[in-house]
Amino acid sequence: IAGITQAPTSQILAAGRRMTLRCTQDMRHNAMYWYRQDLGLGLRLIHYSNTAGTTGKGEVPDGYSVSRANTDDFPLTLASAVPSQTSVYFCASSQEGQKYNEQFFGPGTRLTVL
Amino acid sequence: DQQVKQNSPSLSVQEGRISILNCDYTNSMFDYFLWYKKYPAEGPTFLISISSIKDKNEDGRFTVFLNKSAKHLSLHIVPSQPGDSAVYFCAASWGSNYKLTFGKGTLLTVNP
Repeated sequence: IAGITQAPTSQILAAGRRMTLRCTQDMRHNAMYWYRQDLGLGLRLIHYSNTAGTTGKGEVPDGYSVSRANTDDFPLTLASAVPSQTSVYFCASSQEGQKYNEQFFGPGTRLTVL
Repeated sequence: DQQVKQNSPSLSVQEGRISILNCDYTNSMFDYFLWYKKYPAEGPTFLISISSIKDKNEDGRFTVFLNKSAKHLSLHIVPSQPGDSAVYFCAASWGSNYKLTFGKGTLLTVNP
């Protein structure tokens, strides 16, 4: 693999169910991020991790949790999904000292909560 | 409070003409600015960026201009091509803070 991979590509989920979106990067970047993209709202940061073992809250963290057990993986968990979490989710990564804090994005996961 | 604003949700231009996408920001701490391009069903990809110590950065057909006093930046695409049709996001960051703050995006359509 090269870059960032996300799984699944898309998912339809019943409300109340638990769901984990997976994200793996092979660039050895120290920082990783989860965004959601909604029509008319752009990209909003959910959670981030500056380095393995640490995480932080973004703009819209409620209803989501993350973990960063190692450098490569950054899963996003919806403990009990609600319809307002229907969105396209993007994982991204960046490296400290990288020019202009450029972030590299995965292809996204389209999640529908019914 | 939206710190990065893209006030035009969409823009339509003819092939060969100039496309100008605008972005305004409110946080004077921002010192790096980036433009991302996004095609449908794909993740955003980095396009061009500029540091606050500059007022212009050029890369081929793409030029970004920064007016710090007006807290305004713009992306110029010359000449525009149909393959440039995409959503363009403006983003900003400051200092050693890794996080980017994104605007809502502008959908550019370049008509053949």
